[in-house]
Amino acid sequence: AQSVAQPEDQVNVAEGNPLTVKCTYSVSGNPYLFWYVQYPNRGLQFLLKYITGDNLVKGSYGFEAEFNKSQTSFHLKKPSALVSDSALYFCAVRVLKTGFQKLVFGTGTRLLVSP
Amino acid sequence: GAGVSQSPSNKVTEKGKDVELRCDPISGHTALYWYRQSLGQGLEFLIYFQGNSAPDKSGLPSDRFSAERTGGSVSTLTIQRTQQEDSAVYLCASKQESSYEQYFGPGTRLTVT
Repeated sequence: AQSVAQPEDQVNVAEGNPLTVKCTYSVSGNPYLFWYVQYPNRGLQFLLKYITGDNLVKGSYGFEAEFNKSQTSFHLKKPSALVSDSALYFCAVRVLKTGFQKLVFGTGTRLLVSP
Repeated sequence: GAGVSQSPSNKVTEKGKDVELRCDPISGHTALYWYRQSLGQGLEFLIYFQGNSAPDKSGLPSDRFSAERTGGSVSTLTIQRTQQEDSAVYLCASKQESSYEQYFGPGTRLTVT
């Protein structure tokens, strides 16, 4: 089955420090990978996606993600964390069925950025 | 422009009652998804509508769950004879047929007492 895994339930980082939120994938064929963020009492917001091309993908709010085929990873990164980045982050992979496509999400990683 | 809207934002119901959750997708988006987010868990796919095609119902957890999409726009998720384990946030998302990005609504928090 095609899936993504987020090994960390929570990541803690101090404001101004770099942050990494980990995601690994298991898919057949070329993966289409996504990161979404969920702020409290809000729906999910799209951050970035990898379809093809450069392994380093830049997205919203200064986030970027690095696609690593050999390690089957798609870690989310930001050079300098902000307190306002504290939220729940979801990695997802596109799954194709005949005539349909859907996203399969990881279990989420809570990011806490301390002042 | 307007995003995906969902109503109600919160719903408290007694065990055994039926509930209806509504989703208004972004205008022009042909694909519509329902997901369930339970406490401490990720997003669970429930059902997917694409245009006039038959929906993908493979994620519905039981026959108490059903959904319809009228006129290719508004969708209603119905849960019959609610159980306590149905308590969760129900999220709706829509997207353009040619796009990869799904746009999510704020969700409906369902509490079954």
